[in-house]
Amino acid sequence: AQKVTQAQTEISVVEKEDVTLDCVYETRDTTYYLFWYKQPPSGELVFLIRRNSFDEQNEISGRYSWNFQKSTSSFNFTITASQVVDSAVYFCALRGSEKLVFGKGTKLTVNP
Amino acid sequence: KAGVTQTPRYLIKTRGQQVTLSCSPISGHRSVSWYQQTPGQGLQFLFEYFSETQRNKGNFPGRFSGRQFSNSRSEMNVSTLELGDSALYLCASSSARESEAFFGQGTRLTVV
Repeated sequence: AQKVTQAQTEISVVEKEDVTLDCVYETRDTTYYLFWYKQPPSGELVFLIRRNSFDEQNEISGRYSWNFQKSTSSFNFTITASQVVDSAVYFCALRGSEKLVFGKGTKLTVNP
Repeated sequence: KAGVTQTPRYLIKTRGQQVTLSCSPISGHRSVSWYQQTPGQGLQFLFEYFSETQRNKGNFPGRFSGRQFSNSRSEMNVSTLELGDSALYLCASSSARESEAFFGQGTRLTVV
């Protein structure tokens, strides 16, 4: 069975702080894909990144960076110099041989 | 390129009624998935269709059904509505199993 755990339910930071959202996954598949999505108050899930299980290279995109570590089954997401517009619910997701499975999400609030 | 379109955006129904939600995927995408999102349960997988065939099904009662047409458009139907069916229903499309899924804005269903 596949499972995604986002232990942080809610995080509140002040603008310009760095914040890391944790994601731990479980799967028996050797080939799998990991994703991060952002859900702003409008409700639509916005795709942020996809990573396959054979590519452990970290990725940086502007203020966003992702750290994938197979040894700890983690795929953490860091926002550098957070902004108020980053306030949203962030979901980590996993797809192996079965359906796409989501974590419960982490609600990030960035205060001015 | 148009995104995933879900109609209607909002719906209010009475207990016992049935409802049909529609999803038009991104052009060229043959895979469509449906999710139910509630504050308590998070994002729960309903079903996935690929080329008109149901590929995966979540743990929902038989009152929840879906189908996909030859043009990849999909519908989901919920019969004998219950108060607990009130939720945001999200549709996602992808070009392939391992690809990222792109979500529509959702249909917010309220059962009274």
